[in-house]
Amino acid sequence: EVQLVQSGAEVKKPGESLKISCKGSGYSFATYWIGWVRQMPGKGLEWMGIIYPDDSDTIYSPSFQGQVTISADKSITTAYLQWSSLKASDTAIYFCARLRGARYYYYMDVWGKGTTVTVSS
Amino acid sequence: QSVLTQPPSVSGAPGQRVTISCTGSSSNIGAGYDVHWYQHLPGTAPKLLIYDNTNRPSGVPDRFSVSKSATSASLAISGLQAEDEADYYCQSYDRSLSNYVFGTGTKVTVL
Repeated sequence: EVQLVQSGAEVKKPGESLKISCKGSGYSFATYWIGWVRQMPGKGLEWMGIIYPDDSDTIYSPSFQGQVTISADKSITTAYLQWSSLKASDTAIYFCARLRGARYYYYMDVWGKGTTVTVSS
Repeated sequence: QSVLTQPPSVSGAPGQRVTISCTGSSSNIGAGYDVHWYQHLPGTAPKLLIYDNTNRPSGVPDRFSVSKSATSASLAISGLQAEDEADYYCQSYDRSLSNYVFGTGTKVTVL
């Protein structure tokens, strides 16, 4: 069974750093793009960026470029999303998902259950 | 605000048919990029409902159907059931933004 298992909920203070994870199993992790999606409280889904674990090629959404870092370690079939200095506005649920299709036509066929990140002083 | 606009909410009684529109432009749907649809029950993982404009993944009932015109797409749910109550999102690529985009999302309520 293809699965993406995300790390647990986090509660952090503004200015702290954070790295959340997404572990894939049941498929060839290195050869499928992984994407990250944000859902702020009461809001819709936002495309953050994608990474190809085999060579760590990463494409950020312009809105998130410089705000987060997406990485992957194919040896442990895990993708990451990290912040160096959290802000209250980073409070959201973050989903990872596997991408299928071709460039410009990607869609997300398998999703993790999400990691809730709460940033509050 | 997303470049793919959906109605905030639609509702219908059990058994009825509801339609969710996804209105784009010549930079996304009108440029020929595929439209995909997701169902999201809050607190759970979003689920792929339709990919590549018209294809349903295994297990998605044929009560879910789609149509596409020049710069928009629509998802129809026929024979509405209580379990269909969820948020629905379209998704495509926008060449002006050079980015993948989700629609604004539509909450479906079963009366």
